[in-house]
Amino acid sequence: AQSVTQLDSQVPVFEEAPVELRCNYSSSVSVYLFWYVQYPNQGLQLLLKYLSGSTLVESINGFEAEFNKSQTSFHLRKPSVHISDTAEYFCAVSEQSGYALNFGKGTSLLVTP
Amino acid sequence: KAGVTQTPRYLIKTRGQQVTLSCSPISGHRSVSWYQQTPGQGLQFLFEYFSETQRNKGNFPGRFSGRQFSNSRSEMNVSTLELGDSALYLCASSREADTQYFGPGTRLTVL
Repeated sequence: AQSVTQLDSQVPVFEEAPVELRCNYSSSVSVYLFWYVQYPNQGLQLLLKYLSGSTLVESINGFEAEFNKSQTSFHLRKPSVHISDTAEYFCAVSEQSGYALNFGKGTSLLVTP
Repeated sequence: KAGVTQTPRYLIKTRGQQVTLSCSPISGHRSVSWYQQTPGQGLQFLFEYFSETQRNKGNFPGRFSGRQFSNSRSEMNVSTLELGDSALYLCASSREADTQYFGPGTRLTVL
């Protein structure tokens, strides 16, 4: 079984500032790692994923995450946030052979002017 | 390509009733998973279906059940509703194990 810990429930940040949302996981088997974003009253949208290969993965809207196997982490970063990035962010893990996603509790990112 | 659709978007039921939620996956996706999202418990995996067979099941009571049809559309059913069943129910479809695409969810309120 796997578990996911998102270390911050809320992260307030000013517009154009950098941000890091932290995610740690535990698992006894090889896993896939994901970040999803949820805007109010909507479903989840895939932001980025790590399956294998390069440990640094990027999204089309400027977010990036780095898989660190030794620290079992998959932190999400953005060098300069926008008001529109305000949302709930979920880190998730699944076994490479399975389809069930285990989610963290989520981090609420609030970007203010 | 159309995304995952879920119907209805909103439901209000009373305790003791039962409810059926529907999910249509992305065309070509044969795996459908269901998740429950609540403020207290967060996102929890309910079950996953592939080619009409339940392959994985989360830790939920037997009141929660599902099925998948030959066209990959899926339904989940909750019987004898309890107040604690109030939640956003999310459906996700996937072609392979590496990515799941989520629908907008069904908001169930139990009074």
